[in-house]
Amino acid sequence: LAKTTQPISMDSYEGQEVNITCSHNNIATNDYITWYQQFPSQGPRFIIQGYKTKVTNEVASLFIPADRKSSTLSLPRVSLSDTAVYYCLVGSNDYKLSFGAGTTVTVRA
Amino acid sequence: NAGVTQTPKFQVLKTGQSMTLQCAQDMNHNSMYWYRQDPGMGLRLIYYSASEGTTDKGEVPNGYNVSRLNKREFSLRLESAAPSQTSVYFCASIFIEGTSGRGEQYFGPGTRLTVT
Repeated sequence: LAKTTQPISMDSYEGQEVNITCSHNNIATNDYITWYQQFPSQGPRFIIQGYKTKVTNEVASLFIPADRKSSTLSLPRVSLSDTAVYYCLVGSNDYKLSFGAGTTVTVRA
Repeated sequence: NAGVTQTPKFQVLKTGQSMTLQCAQDMNHNSMYWYRQDPGMGLRLIYYSASEGTTDKGEVPNGYNVSRLNKREFSLRLESAAPSQTSVYFCASIFIEGTSGRGEQYFGPGTRLTVT
């Protein structure tokens, strides 16, 4: 199981871009990288998933370098409602999907 | 299509009491998971079931048992509740493609358990 390391917290202001980097040095060849968002009193919600290079959807982009030992979640033009905890997960070939501590992103007006 | 449902939503137990948390999914997912989340902390994996008929320990299995009743249902049992088990419990399910971990986990609304 690849362990992940993320910053504990990040602060931003409305309208700015937020980039959260996750380290996963022991990622396996077949593993995918997935990011989740969690608001207080709710279960996590899927944001984006990727294997290599760049993936973009309507809410975020995911950048994965060629060595795949890290990944960066990019949230463009954040708003107050993007204040949440963001988790990076790496797929495990034994189905053991463990979350780390996550990154608390606080967006201020 | 209800997604992942959990019952009960809230529960208060006395130390030593037992209870079962129920989880069901209607998305035909192969794998199901139980996590706990203490205040201000991340999620910790208790048990998981990669497929119907199999269960495995996660990071914090002590004090818990699970049953994968069928493809839809995965229950978590506390045999003798302790105050340290006060937490929010989340159930999740996913259809994983092959052995890559590719897939999207769907989470239930959680069960808020207090043990006094």
